[in-house]
Amino acid sequence: GESVGLHLPTLSVQEGDNSIINCAYSNSASDYFIWYKQESGKGPQFIIDIRSNMDKRQGQRVTVLLNKTVKHLSLQIAATQPGDSAVYFCAENETRTGRRALTFGSGTRLQVQP
Amino acid sequence: DAMVIQNPRYQVTQFGKPVTLSCSQTLNHNVMYWYQQKSSQAPKLLFHYYDKDFNNEADTPDNFQSRRPNTSFCFLDIRSPGLGDAAMYLCATSIRQGAKNIQYFGAGTRLSVL
Repeated sequence: GESVGLHLPTLSVQEGDNSIINCAYSNSASDYFIWYKQESGKGPQFIIDIRSNMDKRQGQRVTVLLNKTVKHLSLQIAATQPGDSAVYFCAENETRTGRRALTFGSGTRLQVQP
Repeated sequence: DAMVIQNPRYQVTQFGKPVTLSCSQTLNHNVMYWYQQKSSQAPKLLFHYYDKDFNNEADTPDNFQSRRPNTSFCFLDIRSPGLGDAAMYLCATSIRQGAKNIQYFGAGTRLSVL
């Protein structure tokens, strides 16, 4: 059968609180970053993206922050809801080389307590 | 409406018995990807097609093959499935828009190997 997976880091928050999910990336040449949300039994769903010429981008209830100096990316979710419970992956891409493949981070499980 | 459709959602095969997983898209994207995802892990890219050009990842086993007969369809063939190949298989599509590279995922096919 399927091999035992790694234990995902878990962030547990109360409904209505703000959530911050962090991601460290390794390739200093990466210039494009994406956050995906993956609910149980489903494929990853695009949330928000950011290019390396920006350090902040806002969407609906979500904000992505990029710190290129320390190669760190974060996803902030405002007023977290039970429907936000999922695994969140960051992904990076080095678009300047024409490489189309995304490199995914290891993921964080968000659990929202009612 | 589903834009990247994977069939079947669940597939059971026997050890060593060839199996084919299917993916279709209505987005008319020129790039299609196949990922393997094991429990609590990030998706791992197996290969992708840029139009008709096949791009294999260096560490993808020879046991995994792919076909893309037209823009809309892409298949993943596992020639001799082993127990370690039990996983979720995700199909994704993308079209490069400037420096953006958003990949859109299907719901996945969960493969069990008996």
